[in-house]
Amino acid sequence: DTGVSQDPRHKITKRGQNVTFRCDPISEHNRLYWYRQTLGQGPEFLTYFQNEAQLEKSRLLSDRFSAERPKGSFSTLEIQRTEQGDSAMYLCASSSPRTGGLSYEQYFGPGTRLTVT
Amino acid sequence: AQTVTQSQPEMSVQEAETVTLSCTYDTSESDYYLFWYKQPPSRQMILVIRQEAYKQQNATENRFSVNFQKAAKSFSLKISDSQLGDAAMYFCANIQGAQKLVFGQGTRLTINP
Repeated sequence: DTGVSQDPRHKITKRGQNVTFRCDPISEHNRLYWYRQTLGQGPEFLTYFQNEAQLEKSRLLSDRFSAERPKGSFSTLEIQRTEQGDSAMYLCASSSPRTGGLSYEQYFGPGTRLTVT
Repeated sequence: AQTVTQSQPEMSVQEAETVTLSCTYDTSESDYYLFWYKQPPSRQMILVIRQEAYKQQNATENRFSVNFQKAAKSFSLKISDSQLGDAAMYFCANIQGAQKLVFGQGTRLTINP
């Protein structure tokens, strides 16, 4: 069990540029979640996948955001035409319906910190 | 809609003492789970303790325990024998089914040596 990994860990970009983040979940997990966390706040849900199907999207996920999980394994989150308000930590988590008897526990990755200048 | 409220933005405690972090939540569901997560500075979120709503017994994990009051929709975390490594942001979270976690605003815990 190598845990949830995210790449890159940090990204600095200029306003208007596109960025893409990657998340590799724990290999046997079929659910994958994206959250956004701004400084001093709790994470806010963005979207989640069960296998390759995107089952729910938050209103926070504007048209500039798109997420994919094409083969039900890793996922990507793309932000187009970045704005300064997109600056945040983007967290990925994964879970399985049953994880060693700990129902619905989500395991988090280290996050990708995005700074838009 | 689910909501989670942590009314203590910051707490501090002397090393080896006990501290309690408060959390209240609102849900219309009868079957749900509650969690406390710890986020150390510049490190990733880790699960501290979980509570299933259908269980009346309060969860305990070593020095960490909860006081779950279902009728009052209250879910506080007690840390006994506080250690310097306990310093972190603590988030209370609620989940219904295998869906999204809803987090509180967090409590920053400082441990004074």
